[in-house]
Amino acid sequence: TQLLEQSPQFLSIQEGENLTVYCNSSSVFSSLQWYRQEPGEGPVLLVTVVTGGEVKKLKRLTFQFGDARKDSSLHITAAQPGDTGLYLCAGEFYSGGSNYKLTFGKGTLLTVNP
Amino acid sequence: KAGVTQTPRYLIKTRGQQVTLSCSPISGHRSVSWYQQTPGQGLQFLFEYFSETQRNKGNFPGRFSGRQFSNSRSEMNVSTLELGDSALYLCASSLSSGQGVWNTEAFFGQGTRLTVV
Repeated sequence: TQLLEQSPQFLSIQEGENLTVYCNSSSVFSSLQWYRQEPGEGPVLLVTVVTGGEVKKLKRLTFQFGDARKDSSLHITAAQPGDTGLYLCAGEFYSGGSNYKLTFGKGTLLTVNP
Repeated sequence: KAGVTQTPRYLIKTRGQQVTLSCSPISGHRSVSWYQQTPGQGLQFLFEYFSETQRNKGNFPGRFSGRQFSNSRSEMNVSTLELGDSALYLCASSLSSGQGVWNTEAFFGQGTRLTVV
């Protein structure tokens, strides 16, 4: 079973602060996806990282895939109240034949206070 | 391009009843997955349908079932509802046309909030 552990589970910070959330596993993934979910809505895909060591930037968000493709991190610079939401990581893994599966972590609930 | 549409958005049912939820995927997406989301358990995978066949299944009791139609639209059914079935049910569609990345990237609907009383 491919499990993804996210930490911290909850994070409450002030506007302007920096933060990092982590997504760890003992399994290797073919790709790692990050989603953000706002209250009352479904998760929205932010980014997909594919190559070990890959770094992708999306404005103030920086995503990194671990060299061994077992872990990932999301760093937010100068957080804003609009960044508030549940951040979910999801690992894609090969499950046989032409079948790939996606497994989700439980998420990090981020609150950015003005 | 239209996103994933789930109906209804909200539902209140009584214990013991059954419920059917509907999901219309993004045009061209052949895979539809269903998830249950609760504060304590997070996002839990129910099942995935691809080309009208159930391709993957999570660890939920047989009361939870689904199907997919030839136009890729999907329905999920829960029979004999229990209080613990109260949750946000999310549907996600993906291209899933074969091997490789960008095939499992999930596009979620807004969900159906089910309350069992």
